[in-house]
Amino acid sequence: RKEVEQDPGPFNVPEGATVAFNCTYSNSASQSFFWYRQDCRKEPKLLMSVYSSGNEDGRFTAQLNRASQYISLLIRDSKLSDSATYLCVVSDYKLSFGAGTTVTVRA
Amino acid sequence: NAGVTQTPKFRILKIGQSMTLQCTQDMNHNYMYWYRQDPGMGLKLIYYSVGAGITDKGEVPNGYNVSRSTTEDFPLRLELAAPSQTSVYFCASRVVGELFFGEGSRLTVL
Repeated sequence: RKEVEQDPGPFNVPEGATVAFNCTYSNSASQSFFWYRQDCRKEPKLLMSVYSSGNEDGRFTAQLNRASQYISLLIRDSKLSDSATYLCVVSDYKLSFGAGTTVTVRA
Repeated sequence: NAGVTQTPKFRILKIGQSMTLQCTQDMNHNYMYWYRQDPGMGLKLIYYSVGAGITDKGEVPNGYNVSRSTTEDFPLRLELAAPSQTSVYFCASRVVGELFFGEGSRLTVL
């Protein structure tokens, strides 16, 4: 079983729509959780950390469910600029990446 | 503020050649990592280091070597390059939490 698994998508949504996707992880001892964004052929960049109580950053909401070992990302009011691959990252002393979920927002 | 700097950005190698990908960071981070990303795939950890003089294998270490003589530098050595090593290589560093990535090194082995 992979350490981190994501629905690869692609999710193809119109501008203004809401899109959500999950990531599951296998190591119950994982301490930290993140969502990274990666644009085509570029380096990944931190989108947001994920906290146990859930957290928002503008139009982005992240949730963590330790009991079921998954994290989620929800994007509200999608913009064209949200088109990217979203990487789930789970950390103990090293970080494990999911393969990414591709989101395409169309006009 | 330079952050994490990788060189070269692009390189074409012939099968059997060797080369070193350079990575340096100016943030005084203890943790450094090398990942590879194949087309359409996620990042796979090659090697990592928790501080100068300490390195350890990740998921896919075969065909690579690293060293960490200083906090700043974490070079990745490819010995006897093979077509399977064609990939984009990312170096990253962190203290706690966020990983800071270099811009990547695109390597093609022909």
